[in-house]
Amino acid sequence: GENVEQHPSTLSVQEGDSAVIKCTYSDSASNYFPWYKQELGKRPQLIIDIRSNVGEKKDQRIAVTLNKTAKHFSLHITETQPEDSAVYFCAGGDYKLSFGAGTTVTVRA
Amino acid sequence: DGGITQSPKYLFRKEGQNVTLSCEQNLNHDAMYWYRQDPGQGLRLIYYSQIVNDFQKGDIAEGYSVSREKKESFPLTVTSAQKNPTAFYLCASSGVAGANVLTFGAGSRLTVL
Repeated sequence: GENVEQHPSTLSVQEGDSAVIKCTYSDSASNYFPWYKQELGKRPQLIIDIRSNVGEKKDQRIAVTLNKTAKHFSLHITETQPEDSAVYFCAGGDYKLSFGAGTTVTVRA
Repeated sequence: DGGITQSPKYLFRKEGQNVTLSCEQNLNHDAMYWYRQDPGQGLRLIYYSQIVNDFQKGDIAEGYSVSREKKESFPLTVTSAQKNPTAFYLCASSGVAGANVLTFGAGSRLTVL
């Protein structure tokens, strides 16, 4: 089955700086890679996703890149704000998703 | 709120007891999933169902059981065989199984006393 690894486990950034979270996956058949944000006490919510036929996708301050050859994908958050503080999960797969262990992002004001 | 309702939100159980967590969706989604969330381990798939009357084991199915008798409902039973059941359980659904956006419920926190 798919195995997704996520790094770092915690990330502290100054407000306005960028944050980068990296994930690797093992199954070359995986073709869907979403990112979820989970605020404290709330349910995970999709923030961006990318499919295997695309190398990069951007939505305002958030971007995701995918390198299928190296089997890794990354989340980039620019101009971080306090409301970006949350746990972020990457996931990968096809008909079922495997999730990374999560990254706790803290944005310092 | 989000179209998926999980109940109860908090549940306490004595060792040796079975407990059933409810998950109902009104999104007309075909696929439904149960995940377990533990600190530092992300979300791990317990069971999933792509259509009514059919379901498959996920990565950590031992000690759990499910049913999918109706499209909108996917209850999870945590049996006494589950050795470490204290966790946060999340139900999710998607329009079709595979490569689609998951909508999550608010979760159920189970504590075994």
